[in-house]
Amino acid sequence: DAGVIQSPRHEVTEMGQEVTLRCKPISGHDYLFWYRQTMMRGLELLIYFNNNVPIDDSGMPEDRFSAKMPNASFSTLKIQPSEPRDSAVYFCASSLGGQSNQPQHFGDGTRLSIL
Amino acid sequence: GENVEQHPSTLSVQEGDSAVIKCTYSDSASNYFPWYKQELGKRPQLIIDIRSNVGEKKDQRIAVTLNKTAKHFSLHITETQPEDSAVYFCAASAYKYIFGTGTRLKVLA
Repeated sequence: DAGVIQSPRHEVTEMGQEVTLRCKPISGHDYLFWYRQTMMRGLELLIYFNNNVPIDDSGMPEDRFSAKMPNASFSTLKIQPSEPRDSAVYFCASSLGGQSNQPQHFGDGTRLSIL
Repeated sequence: GENVEQHPSTLSVQEGDSAVIKCTYSDSASNYFPWYKQELGKRPQLIIDIRSNVGEKKDQRIAVTLNKTAKHFSLHITETQPEDSAVYFCAASAYKYIFGTGTRLKVLA
């Protein structure tokens, strides 16, 4: 299996621009998670989906952030408009079955820099 | 809200010595406790996990212990090697992962 695939690996853009991060979970996994990692705040859960349905988006910082999962093999995290404080590494992870008791497998992340 | 405290934040050990990282969680409903290793610039990778019905689990040089009463769990690495150098994260999960703040482990050759 190829694992969780994220794109792009790096993104540099100017503040105010729209940013779209993409994730392909491991085939057959029914849970998908978006995390943000910064030095100050560590690993934060932003949102997670079960069977393509958003279950908990309480970690989404602002209305500027949105996430979708149109099908079982694809999810996007969008920031519009982007701000410098959004600079971070964004990870996508997926797991199989009962969310709280199954290992989550992480993608390689997207390193986002907002200038 | 739920939180996980992790100590120490940095740890340096001589090659061959043991390393211990400790975590304390607040949500008594937590029933799954994974540990992740993250090398610089890479993704977190699961190294070991433990469920609430087990007190200890070992995998070669790595072991994890869980004390549900005290709400703490620990990672033990024996015979450390330079390639063990990384940041280690604990997590506690009731219905979602709550991560600790990480421990930067340096194994000195």
